[in-house]
Amino acid sequence: GAVVSQHPSWVICKSGTSVKIECRSLDFQATTMFWYRQFPKQSLMLMATSNEGSKATYEQGVEKDKFLINHASLTLSTLTVTSAHPEDSSFYICSALAGDGSYEQYFGPGTRLTVT
Amino acid sequence: AQSVTQLGSHVSVSEGALVLLRCNYSSSVPPYLFWYVQYPNQGLQLLLKYTSAATLVKGINGFEAEFKKSETSFHLTKPSAHMSDAAEYFCAVSAGDDKIIFGKGTRLHILP
Repeated sequence: GAVVSQHPSWVICKSGTSVKIECRSLDFQATTMFWYRQFPKQSLMLMATSNEGSKATYEQGVEKDKFLINHASLTLSTLTVTSAHPEDSSFYICSALAGDGSYEQYFGPGTRLTVT
Repeated sequence: AQSVTQLGSHVSVSEGALVLLRCNYSSSVPPYLFWYVQYPNQGLQLLLKYTSAATLVKGINGFEAEFKKSETSFHLTKPSAHMSDAAEYFCAVSAGDDKIIFGKGTRLHILP
């Protein structure tokens, strides 16, 4: 089956620094990837849609200058949290859209970000 | 716009008993519907999906769900609960425009 990986699986950074999270589709090409944020014991909140070769589309209320998304290839999308603050601590999950018209998304294992 | 309502943030069933997790959806167009399972500190795994074919959808791990348009429901069931079924379950809807909207989730507890 289709596999999506994320790196790192967890990261701790100091307030004010930036951290990059990678999302890779390992055995298929994904022109569209999604980034979600999940607070403890809550649902997934869609942050943005990442399209290969074009600018990401951000959901209402998500700061595009704070959460930089780059989808430079058909197998890689990155999310950079800039000038991180403790309130950015969360579980970030990416997904990649299957390109077979099924609208099925394959999810990565998530990245736990803790900002101290 | 699409939305999903999951009834019950926590559901407890005894091992071997029927599992029923409720999901109602709202969609202005024929929906695609999904159930995902999430184990602690992990990503999501697709259990099953409805894409306008058969209304009774069978998924992995013995789960199934029935699409009922008249009730705008897509409840998830499993005849006999197993301890390994304890997890968070998310119902989700898509209008086919790629975005998936998730419900708030239901945590399933299995009692020995």
